[in-house]
Amino acid sequence: QQQVKQSPQSLIVQKGGISIINCAYENTAFDYFPWYQQFPGKGPALLIAIRPDVSEKKEGRFTISFNKSAKQFSLHIMDSQPGDSATYFCAASKGAQKLVFGQGTRLTINP
Amino acid sequence: DGGITQSPKYLFRKEGQNVTLSCEQNLNHDAMYWYRQDPGQGLRLIYYSQIVNDFQKGDIAEGYSVSREKKESFPLTVTSAQKNPTAFYLCASSGGTGAFYEQYFGPGTRLTVT
Repeated sequence: QQQVKQSPQSLIVQKGGISIINCAYENTAFDYFPWYQQFPGKGPALLIAIRPDVSEKKEGRFTISFNKSAKQFSLHIMDSQPGDSATYFCAASKGAQKLVFGQGTRLTINP
Repeated sequence: DGGITQSPKYLFRKEGQNVTLSCEQNLNHDAMYWYRQDPGQGLRLIYYSQIVNDFQKGDIAEGYSVSREKKESFPLTVTSAQKNPTAFYLCASSGGTGAFYEQYFGPGTRLTVT
């Protein structure tokens, strides 16, 4: 019940396209859902986060869509660029409890 | 220049030796964490500390030890009891006492044990 399942494991998108990464969770008590971006050999960087009281949050080309009833949330990257090529992790937590991370998605944007 | 520093970036050790990884933050964050990352896997929590002189085990604490004597510092010791220590180790911190919200990560230390 503590797991966060992330898909796909890897994704290839053409430059200018939309990249979509999905995550599903079981624990309905989760109340914080961040996405992290990690480049090879670097630490993850917080990209965008959402709480369950909203269904969508947008920051620039990055959008989180949240479906509380389906217990799913997704990251959309609009106008994907080669510089977006990285590994993306979703995560979830409840209050003071630990972040539970998905397995990660390796995104490649072809020029 | 605020942030989290981890040193060294690369670390090589012989099997059977203990090794200590450094993590320092100047963000004035109360909570600090250590994660392990293996190829193709997500981040697994080793230990975390919500306040000075207190820390808790995460999901994979066996073979590791930590201390939190100062707010800014949270060193991780990988002991010889850790069966498979070769991995990428990440330190993180967050601002709220008792909260895991908005964790910020350091650049990581890649440990290789042969």
